This record gives sequence, structure tokens and C-alpha cells, in this order.
Amino acid sequence: ETGVTQTPRHLVMGMTNKKSLKCEQHLGHNAMYWYKQSAKKPLELMFVYNFKEQTENNSVPSRFSPECPNSSHLFLHLHTLQPEDSALYLCASSRNRDSNTEAFFGQGTRLTVV
Amino acid sequence: GQNIDQPTEMTATEGAIVQINCTYQTSGFNGLFWYQQHAGEAPTFLSYNVLDGLEEKGRFSSFLSRSKGYSYLLLKELQMKDSASYLCACMDSNYQLIWGAGTKLIIKP
Repeated sequence: ETGVTQTPRHLVMGMTNKKSLKCEQHLGHNAMYWYKQSAKKPLELMFVYNFKEQTENNSVPSRFSPECPNSSHLFLHLHTLQPEDSALYLCASSRNRDSNTEAFFGQGTRLTVV
Repeated sequence: GQNIDQPTEMTATEGAIVQINCTYQTSGFNGLFWYQQHAGEAPTFLSYNVLDGLEEKGRFSSFLSRSKGYSYLLLKELQMKDSASYLCACMDSNYQLIWGAGTKLIIKP
């Protein structure tokens, strides 16, 4: 139990589909993050939310659309993805965006785009 | 640019000691983190160093030299369950984590 829960764990979708990834944290944290993890590459930060406000979008294509309705929930809406978007998508949370405290990760969603 | 370097893969023997190195170049410095990630699981926090020196936590220790831009994670009395990827991440002046690609550690009996 990591305190950060992601669903689904696995997802296969076609390039014309629309799907959403969900993340929920029970740690009382104020900052939440989406990361992309590809094999043998560093974690790529996609989006950051602090107190429900988006603070960073690291040049992510518009086919990825985040949503943060409250400090405990984070979504990543997906549409018209490409095969190269296949990866492990990790959600994380931390106490605040501007603090040197550790991040807690969910187990990720393994996404395959066919 | 900002960069983190760590070896791609290392192999060690059960019961032995292994040191995983990490060098970094970042814009400012707010500490260095080590995470462990087993295949198919979430990265989990191992250690945080912001001052020079060695931090010991059970079988795991982490060292930092800010002047050299260098850290290492030391694992003692290796167990089979220590087979995992070890991620080094440096926090820059903007509190953004810069990640290495991870070191896959293989433990052999």
C-alpha cells in the first residue's frame, strides 16, 4: 500500500480511442504529478498540479489532457494517441510543489497503443 | 543543460556489497534522492541527501559530495529481493526533480 492508487493497471487502446487514467492519493498531499516512464529512459515529468492548479506542462502534446478536480484526485485523458506513447504512466504526490520532500508514487498504468 | 548519469546495469552476488554511482549537473541543488523500483511496481523512496557525507539506514547507505556533483548508494549484505532498478534524482533550484535513467541491479546466488 503506497498511499497512491492508480487505475487501470493495464490499458490497451487503439489510436482512435478515448480513455482516461485515474490517480487517487490518501496522504493529504497538495501536489500531484504525472510522469511517463519508457524503457531505459529517465522519468519524464508531464504535468504538475499544486493545490489543484496546474503549475507545469512540460511541452506535452495536446492528445494528453490532465484534470485535477481536487487535491486528492488526478486524471489523464487520452485521445488519438500514437504507438510511441506506449509506456508506463506514473502518478505521484508530495507535500507541496516547492518543498524538498520525497514523492510517493502509484504503481502506474502500463499503456499500449495499437 | 541538466543531466544525471548512472550505470545502466550492475551484477552482484548475494551476501556481497555493491555501490551504485550517480553524477549530476543541475541548475542549483536542493538535494538528491534515491528510489528503488521493482519490475512492474511503484518507485519507492530510499534516501535523501542534501549535506555532504554518508547517511546510513540499515543495509542501505547513501553518500553525497556536492563539490564533485557525485552520490552513491551502498547496499550491504545483498539479498535476492534487492534485485531492482535504482533511480537517482536530483532536485534543482526550482524544486524540480531531474531523473537518471536508473541502474538495473541483478543479484546472483
